[in-house]
Amino acid sequence: NAGVTQTPKFQVLKTGQSMTLQCAQDMNHEYMSWYRQDPGMGLRLIHYSVGAGITDQGEVPNGYNVSRSTTEDFPLRLLSAAPSQTSVYFCASSYVAGGDNEQFFGPGTRLTVL
Amino acid sequence: AQKVTQAQTEISVVEKEDVTLDCVYETRDTTYYLFWYKQPPSGELVFLIRRNSFDEQNEISGRYSWNFQKSTSSFNFTITASQVVDSAVYFCALSEAGAGSYQLTFGKGTKLSVIP
Repeated sequence: NAGVTQTPKFQVLKTGQSMTLQCAQDMNHEYMSWYRQDPGMGLRLIHYSVGAGITDQGEVPNGYNVSRSTTEDFPLRLLSAAPSQTSVYFCASSYVAGGDNEQFFGPGTRLTVL
Repeated sequence: AQKVTQAQTEISVVEKEDVTLDCVYETRDTTYYLFWYKQPPSGELVFLIRRNSFDEQNEISGRYSWNFQKSTSSFNFTITASQVVDSAVYFCALSEAGAGSYQLTFGKGTKLSVIP
């Protein structure tokens, strides 16, 4: 099992550009989520999905879109990148939705918006 | 609303010293889950432990131990005989059973530096 994979590892964008951060898992997990990590802030939830076809907003959803057409994939789209979106992005998954389930994290994508 | 406070921003210890990382949480739920994650310099997040609110037993795993006290809303993490490989940022996190998002609310992290 590859676990949770994320691509790219690093990305530099200019303000206003759009891009998609990819996340995939091969563990047949129902629950997937996206977090962003900023210095001194811990991780904050952007969007989450409890199963294919179902997504919802987390704590900091503005400027991001998600979709979940398959169980395996959960891409995060930046529609018009802003410098405030410079961050490290982590995708996570767990077997089912539930507070007690261990969430497995991907290796992260470091995004810089100029 | 759920909240996790890690008051220690950075800690430095000399190798082989014991060190305790503090975690204080706030929640209105009676059922909740507490976690510790390690983030080494390479950047990935490594799961260390999960605890539910009904299990106040302390846990020991090798050099690591966790002290869960509901009376003080704390879930502290102790590393015994620290090693250089323990140098990392450690995050405490909370998940409420009643929260539909099942989100993990993270503390801001404690950066531990173990000096040889």
